[in-house]
Amino acid sequence: NAGVTQTPKFRVLKTGQSMTLLCAQDMNHEYMYWYRQDPGMGLRLIHYSVGEGTTAKGEVPDGYNVSRLKKQNFLLGLESAAPSQTSVYFCASTNLNEQYFGPGTRLTVT
Amino acid sequence: AQSVTQLDSQVPVFEEAPVELRCNYSSSVSVYLFWYVQYPNQGLQLLLKYLSGSTLVKSINGFEAEFNKSQTSFHLRKPSVHISDTAEYFCAVSDREYGNKLVFGAGTILRVKS
Repeated sequence: NAGVTQTPKFRVLKTGQSMTLLCAQDMNHEYMYWYRQDPGMGLRLIHYSVGEGTTAKGEVPDGYNVSRLKKQNFLLGLESAAPSQTSVYFCASTNLNEQYFGPGTRLTVT
Repeated sequence: AQSVTQLDSQVPVFEEAPVELRCNYSSSVSVYLFWYVQYPNQGLQLLLKYLSGSTLVKSINGFEAEFNKSQTSFHLRKPSVHISDTAEYFCAVSDREYGNKLVFGAGTILRVKS
């Protein structure tokens, strides 16, 4: 039982490049989330999903897109990366009592 | 809209001393409350949670938090800290509405000194 996994762990992008972050969970959770963590700001919700095929915007959705084609996977896409998207990205899933977090992806946009 | 305020960005404390990390929230509805801990270069781990019932909740490693509805607080306490408790601690609130979303505080870095 791996819990929540994220790939890649680290990535450096140039401004304007695109990439996709993959989150996978093996706990059969319906709800999944993408957060970004910036110093002094805690975690902020980017997008979330309440089930396969559904997505919704969180607090800071601009510049990101998501897809939930399979229940166990939640993808976060950056179509045209900007330096302001330099951050640590965390994925989470929930059984409605607590959220389980992945190890994070550290993204730097130069 | 909900919000969470962690009143201290950093708390330095000597080993074996008591500590309190403060958390206040605002919400117009009933809430679930959580404390998560993040060790350096790792993800977040659940430390303890309040869902219902007893307002005093405890973790397996000696932390406890008390839900105070009248003061809208959920402060985290430990009577005697260890070096290994050095980490960043996040308070979070869920209003249990659509999506079961969490709103996090800015975090408190606990530094335990020997």
